[in-house]
This record gives sequence, C-alpha cells and structure tokens, in this order.
Amino acid sequence: DGGITQSPKYLFRKEGQNVTLSCEQNLNHDAMYWYRQDPGQGLRLIYYSQIVNDFQKGDIAEGYSVSREKKESFPLTVTSAQKNPTAFYLCASSISVPSYEQYFGPGTRLTVT
Amino acid sequence: DAKTTQPPSMDCAEGRAANLPCNHSTISGNEYVYWYRQIHSQGPQYIIHGLKNNETNEMASLIITEDRKSSTLILPHATLRDTAVYYCIVRVEQTGANNLFFGTGTRLTVIP
Repeated sequence: DGGITQSPKYLFRKEGQNVTLSCEQNLNHDAMYWYRQDPGQGLRLIYYSQIVNDFQKGDIAEGYSVSREKKESFPLTVTSAQKNPTAFYLCASSISVPSYEQYFGPGTRLTVT
Repeated sequence: DAKTTQPPSMDCAEGRAANLPCNHSTISGNEYVYWYRQIHSQGPQYIIHGLKNNETNEMASLIITEDRKSSTLILPHATLRDTAVYYCIVRVEQTGANNLFFGTGTRLTVIP
C-alpha cells in the first residue's frame, strides 16, 4: 500500500535533548511538508521541501531543522532551541505539479518534560 | 491567501445532511477552495476542492456561491464516522509545494 509513515506514534524526551521525527513516503511525491498542531488549534507549517536537497522555512521554523537527502524521506529534528516542543507533528506530501491534495501521515505526538 | 471564517462547532443528526458553511469574502479569482477533515488524533484527509463550479465526489458536495465569497460543504447522509474537525482553506494552486493554511475549522459532531 502506498502512503506516508511516521514513527514513532508517541515520543517522550527530556528537556534539552534534540529529537528527530521520521517521515517516509512511497507515493513518489516530490513535495513534502512538516506541520505542528497544538491542542484545539489548527496546523502550522514548519518546513517544506519541493525537491530533493531543497527545503524552505514555513511559518514557525525556529528551533527546528530538516533534511531532504532522499525523495522518500524528510526527517524533522526538534532542537533544544525550540521553546515549546510538546505538540502533535504531522508530515504530508503532494505531487509537485499544481495539486489540491496533500496526503498526511498518522502523526507523532511528542512530549518533552 | 484569502482568510476563511467557519463556525467553531456544529451538530448533525445521524443520517441527515450536514451543511458546513465557510466565508471567504476576500477570495481572488485564481484561488481555489479546499476542504479537509481531521478525525481525532489522525492526519487531515482531503475531501474536495473547487474554483467556481459546484463539485461532487463520493464523499461530499461543494457548493460555491456565484460571487465566490462563501461556500458550503455538504455531507449528504452523515454517519458517526463523519465526526471530525472540518477545515475550509483558500489557496492559489501552483507548481511545487502548495502550502495550505489550516485554521481552527468547524468541529462537527454527528449525533446518534
């Protein structure tokens, strides 16, 4: 089955530690995205990538970093510089031509204490 | 991108039609209207999109007013599994990454 996988579903870390969230897709999509969602809120864009080895900051990139070394993979690192890292993180992908549909993964719920 | 306004919550009886409104009075001519939904603790799911004409697919219908300043998503026979947050998004469709702004949406509760 084609789709997007994110692992793990739940992640716990101590404050001050960097943590990397995994996102893999086998849809052959060029574009990939990372969103953050806080309780009762909508989604906010962290980073996006249109093609391998290229990515741009979204609305709330501070304290996060990404890489796009392979088309299938777009890992997100939450660094210790992120002031409020506890959130639900969602990865998505889409085709690069004008597209109305983003495919989302199941999300990773990160808790930092 | 044009801003959208949606009611924060709505209820609908199971089996009845759910009509979810969205205002986008500042929409420009080349901006599409997209609808997504998010079931609790899952990733959002695309439902439907349109530019000017009304659209229908296996999940829903999208009615866009003639002046394009508002739209309505219609779930013709709501089921309990349709309980979710529904997002109305307005965006220019472009090549490359299409960044979608998800606001707080409408929380639809389908009641047995």
